[in-house]
Amino acid sequence: NAGVTQTPKFRILKIGQSMTLQCTQDMNHNYMYWYRQDPGMGLKLIYYSVGAGITDKGEVPNGYNVSRSTTEDFPLRLELAAPSQTSVYFCASSYSPYNEQFFGPGTRLTVL
Amino acid sequence: AQKVTQAQTEISVVEKEDVTLDCVYETRDTTYYLFWYKQPPSGELVFLIRRNSFDEQNEISGRYSWNFQKSTSSFNFTITASQVVDSAVYFCALSESMGAGGTSYGKLTFGQGTILTVHP
Repeated sequence: NAGVTQTPKFRILKIGQSMTLQCTQDMNHNYMYWYRQDPGMGLKLIYYSVGAGITDKGEVPNGYNVSRSTTEDFPLRLELAAPSQTSVYFCASSYSPYNEQFFGPGTRLTVL
Repeated sequence: AQKVTQAQTEISVVEKEDVTLDCVYETRDTTYYLFWYKQPPSGELVFLIRRNSFDEQNEISGRYSWNFQKSTSSFNFTITASQVVDSAVYFCALSESMGAGGTSYGKLTFGQGTILTVHP
């Protein structure tokens, strides 16, 4: 049982490049979330999903897109990377909206 | 809108001291859930506790204890006899049952975190 896995662990992008952050969970959780953590700050919700085929925006969705074609996978797409997207990105999943969320190890992204 | 405030940005203690991390929250919902997470220097987020708004009993788990007071909208976390391994960033988070647009879907609002450093 690997829990929530994220790839890559680190990435450096140039301004204007695109990339996909991968997130996979093996706990059969319907609820999945993407957060970003800026230095010295708490986490902010980017997008979330309540099941395969259903996604919605969180607090800071601009510049990102998501898809959820399977229960296990919830990739986050960055289009036209900007320095403001330099952050640590965490993917999380939970059994229900009222239970604790399990977090992946994070992806540290730098946009130069 | 929901909000979580952790007013203590950084706390520094010497090993074996007790330390309390404060968390104050705002919500209009009557049903909500409060969480504490630990982020050690390695960076991962570790779940510590979940409390629903109807359960005001304090909880103790080893050296950790939590004090939930609805009257003051606070959910404070105390570490007794702190150890160097307790050094981490601690986050308090809130999830509403019903947000402004209906079901909240478990969306977490985090506080800014408290950096705890325990010196030997």
